[in-house]
Amino acid sequence: GAVVSQHPSWVICKSGTSVKIECRSLDFQATTMFWYRQFPKQSLMLMATSNEGSKATYEQGVEKDKFLINHASLTLSTLTVTSAHPEDSSFYICSASLVGRRRTEAFFGQGTRLTVV
Amino acid sequence: GESVGLHLPTLSVQEGDNSIINCAYSNSASDYFIWYKQESGKGPQFIIDIRSNMDKRQGQRVTVLLNKTVKHLSLQIAATQPGDSAVYFCAENRNFGNEKLTFGTGTRLTIIP
Repeated sequence: GAVVSQHPSWVICKSGTSVKIECRSLDFQATTMFWYRQFPKQSLMLMATSNEGSKATYEQGVEKDKFLINHASLTLSTLTVTSAHPEDSSFYICSASLVGRRRTEAFFGQGTRLTVV
Repeated sequence: GESVGLHLPTLSVQEGDNSIINCAYSNSASDYFIWYKQESGKGPQFIIDIRSNMDKRQGQRVTVLLNKTVKHLSLQIAATQPGDSAVYFCAENRNFGNEKLTFGTGTRLTIIP
């Protein structure tokens, strides 16, 4: 199956600093990628839709200036958490869409655990 | 609405028994449904899907049932194994193929050896 890789798998940063998370589709091209946030014992909440070559579409309540998304190529999307605070500590997961003959399937990365201290 | 502050429902099943995990979805316009398995510290893994024009679909050891009348989805896992222990999420998709998924609250399944 298709592989989506996230980097780093975990990161600890100081409050006020920025952190960049990468999402790569390794063996396919993805015009659309999605970024999710997951708090402990909760479900995945969609943050934004990342489209190659255009601006990301953010879900209601997600600050676009705080969560910067760049989708500069068909295999890479990045999420930058700017001026991180402890409440931003969470598990961030990306998915990339692979268009197939039967349907479009979402493949998920392994997630990035962000801890802001 | 969001399930902020709620803990995941849990289900414990003896190894070898069958398990049924349920999910209620909210949007009657959803036309595509997927079950995912998420192990601790990992991203979701596709298990099985079903389109709204079907009410049942079977895979290897797994069966998904869809009841559109009551907006209910279930995942049946037969002959459970320790490796089935994980959190299971249903996800719904509106407008088949537009890729945007809405996830349910999830259920933690524990297989007792």
